[in-house]
Amino acid sequence: EPEVTQTPSHQVTQMGQEVILRCVPISNHLYFYWYRQILGQKVEFLVSFYNNEISEKSEIFDDQFSVERPDGSNFTLKIRSTKLEDSAMYFCASNQLGGVSGANVLTFGAGSRLTVL
Amino acid sequence: SQQGEEDPQALSIQEGENATMNCSYKTSINNLQWYRQNSGRGLVHLILIRSNEREKHSGRLRVTLDTSKKSSSLLITASRAADTASYFCATNSGNTPLVFGKGTRLSVIA
Repeated sequence: EPEVTQTPSHQVTQMGQEVILRCVPISNHLYFYWYRQILGQKVEFLVSFYNNEISEKSEIFDDQFSVERPDGSNFTLKIRSTKLEDSAMYFCASNQLGGVSGANVLTFGAGSRLTVL
Repeated sequence: SQQGEEDPQALSIQEGENATMNCSYKTSINNLQWYRQNSGRGLVHLILIRSNEREKHSGRLRVTLDTSKKSSSLLITASRAADTASYFCATNSGNTPLVFGKGTRLSVIA
């Protein structure tokens, strides 16, 4: 069964450092998403991406965040200068039709745990 | 913004019992979905119910939707230890991203 893969599974970084989280969505999916989950809390939407541009972003997704699809397979989330409060699980997700069909079921990766010290 | 909020926050039952989790939301929706998350893992889609549906079944799962009360319930029948996980509802309206609640942590004791 096709799956979304994420790397690294866990990254520890110092405050102020740049972090890049990588995702390989399912190959025939067109819509890509990043969500995050602070430990024990709800899963929060960060950004959606379609046709090589951001389609929607939340208030969390400020100037320190950026996304990119550098090639035909990878989808990356960059955090330019990490803060302590960026510590969380970051989940990549993808789907084929986005919200157009009114049924945007997402396939999630296993997540990347980011710890900022 | 619309938001799914599950209750209870945590639920502990014996194997073989039924587990019921509830979700409330605030605004009109196109559909409501339930996802499962094993500890430290990603979310897995379980079932979707559209706004014009009232009940849906999938194996041991039964989902109801009451749009007048803006609420949904997920029932897992004959629970197993392997059902131990967190369960999240997520709402969809138009082309907006899925919005998740805080989840219910279900523990099924063998």
